Amino acid sequence: NAGVTQTPKFQVLKTGQSMTLQCAQDMNHEYMSWYRQDPGMGLRLIHYSVGAGITDQGEVPNGYNVSRSTTEDFPLRLLSAAPSQTSVYFCASSFDGQEAFFGQGTRLTVV
Amino acid sequence: RKEVEQDPGPFNVPEGATVAFNCTYSNSASQSFFWYRQDCRKEPKLLMSVYSSGNEDGRFTAQLNRASQYISLLIRDSKLSDSATYLCVAGGSGAGSYQLTFGKGTKLSVIP
Repeated sequence: NAGVTQTPKFQVLKTGQSMTLQCAQDMNHEYMSWYRQDPGMGLRLIHYSVGAGITDQGEVPNGYNVSRSTTEDFPLRLLSAAPSQTSVYFCASSFDGQEAFFGQGTRLTVV
Repeated sequence: RKEVEQDPGPFNVPEGATVAFNCTYSNSASQSFFWYRQDCRKEPKLLMSVYSSGNEDGRFTAQLNRASQYISLLIRDSKLSDSATYLCVAGGSGAGSYQLTFGKGTKLSVIP
């Protein structure tokens, strides 16, 4: 059972470039979410989805887009990368009110 | 703003010590509570869920006080392998409310 699979694990972007972080889960979870984690800031919610076709903004959505065309996949798109988006990104999935399972994270550096 | 506040730490304790972490949450409608463990440069992983009656898993004991909106984690007989950051989590405030709110974490270092 793969759980939550996140790719890539590492990425370096130049300012202004765009990219997509992939996230897939095989547990049939309704809820999927993206967090970023910065030193001293904890996990901050970027976007989340409660099911296919439904997405909503979290605490820090600016500069990011998401879509949820299937239950399994929840990609995160950086539209025009900025140095402030240098961070570690985690995808997570869960059932309603239950524990969240996390992907292994993506370490993104924007130069 | 819905928040979860934790002891800032870091906690540096010798092997064999007992250490307690405390956490408060601001959303009184929260219905599910967890402690997660995060090792350096790794993803958070569930340590244990927290129930109103309190629950124990080996050397770990979690308590929930809904009246005070307070959660605790007690680690007995600390091991070197317990060194990590511990995240307090509250969520599930109402039907269909999936969001989990994470505290910023408390770093524990167990010293030989």
